[in-house]
Amino acid sequence: DAKTTQPPSMDCAEGRAANLPCNHSTISGNEYVYWYRQIHSQGPQYIIHGLKNNETNEMASLIITEDRKSSTLILPHATLRDTAVYYCIVRVRTSNTGKLIFGQGTTLQVKP
Amino acid sequence: EAQVTQNPRYLITVTGKKLTVTCSQNMNHEYMSWYRQDPGLGLRQIYYSMNVEVTDKGDVPEGYKVSRKEKRNFPLILESPSPNQTSLYFCASSSAGEAGYTFGSGTRLTVV
Repeated sequence: DAKTTQPPSMDCAEGRAANLPCNHSTISGNEYVYWYRQIHSQGPQYIIHGLKNNETNEMASLIITEDRKSSTLILPHATLRDTAVYYCIVRVRTSNTGKLIFGQGTTLQVKP
Repeated sequence: EAQVTQNPRYLITVTGKKLTVTCSQNMNHEYMSWYRQDPGLGLRQIYYSMNVEVTDKGDVPEGYKVSRKEKRNFPLILESPSPNQTSLYFCASSSAGEAGYTFGSGTRLTVV
């Protein structure tokens, strides 16, 4: 699975959009970009995933660059409850190990 | 409600006393995994299972056993716990064709 690089921390004002970047320059053609988040010490929570098209769901939007070497997770209106560690993970959709390789992620602090 | 249930949430035990952490999912998922989370080391996969009676080692399997006799259950067994197994443990499950893993709420284990 390709490696990802994320900034260790970011701040965002409550009500504003939070844009979390991720670099994955060695991504392969069959690898998807996934985002999870972990609030405090709770279990990680799946947010969204995509291959090459931009994706949106009720939680967030995912913007993937045309060359697929980077992506941005967008929380359109961040709330205090969005304070968490956000993980960007790149992997094939159907893995033989079912393994998710979690890096250090980005700690997002949403401030009032 | 679709969920992964782990028990217990908290456990303090003594070195060498066998223990089992249970994990159950109600989503008919094929894939199940166990992770441990330690400060500075992130989440690491211990064991995984692709289906009933199919299990394999993850990245840090030493000192652990698992079994998958039924699709819904995937217990983690520590035959002789040691202090270096003090950690936060998560169970996760996923359907074979889907992207998102559902994680349990975690088990915080302390071995003294």
